[in-house]
Amino acid sequence: GAGVSQSPSNKVTEKGKDVELRCDPISGHTALYWYRQRLGQGLEFLIYFQGNSAPDKSGLPSDRFSAERTGESVSTLTIQRTQQEDSAVYLCASSRITLSYNEQFFGPGTRLTVL
Amino acid sequence: DAKTTQPTSMDCAEGRAANLPCNHSTISGNEYVYWYRQIHSQGPQYIIHGLKNNETNEMASLIITEDRKSSTLILPHATLRDTAVYYCIVRPSGGNKLVFGAGTILRVKS
Repeated sequence: GAGVSQSPSNKVTEKGKDVELRCDPISGHTALYWYRQRLGQGLEFLIYFQGNSAPDKSGLPSDRFSAERTGESVSTLTIQRTQQEDSAVYLCASSRITLSYNEQFFGPGTRLTVL
Repeated sequence: DAKTTQPTSMDCAEGRAANLPCNHSTISGNEYVYWYRQIHSQGPQYIIHGLKNNETNEMASLIITEDRKSSTLILPHATLRDTAVYYCIVRPSGGNKLVFGAGTILRVKS
């Protein structure tokens, strides 16, 4: 079946511009996550959506970052006034949730380069 | 979330078992041990998880010590395609985010 998809796969932008990244989760997965991975580093949690609950935004690094998700469908991550330190791969994941089991399925990521 | 400690890198000969250790000495009773791996230029991939008992699936085995302060991921017959960064993560029951450390770079060599 279809996995998590993300678009665009690559994005090059100029410093100060806004960018929007898209994630299509696996159908039926109520949970959706955004992570950032800088070159050579591990993943940093950004934000988490679970159904209609208020999102967990604890990982967003600044108010330039925001994300939306409508119901259990597509999510967009928006970065306003991009800075060079925003350059990274942005990864989206989705999962079903149970108390004991939470396998997150990751998309291929969007590589963002801010010039 | 409990912190994990893993070696920076390991080498393994193709066809041999790869044993990747992880220390999680501050793990609490309701926290699970998860393993993911990330092959170059791809998103992370789930491998296995466990709470107390040893677990095995088609990809790997997970051995958790009796005191739960450490665990070992075993790839029984490593192949070149198993070359990746392996992340050991401790997650509370029902917890939603995964806290990824630096992981272990496993290089499988022919």
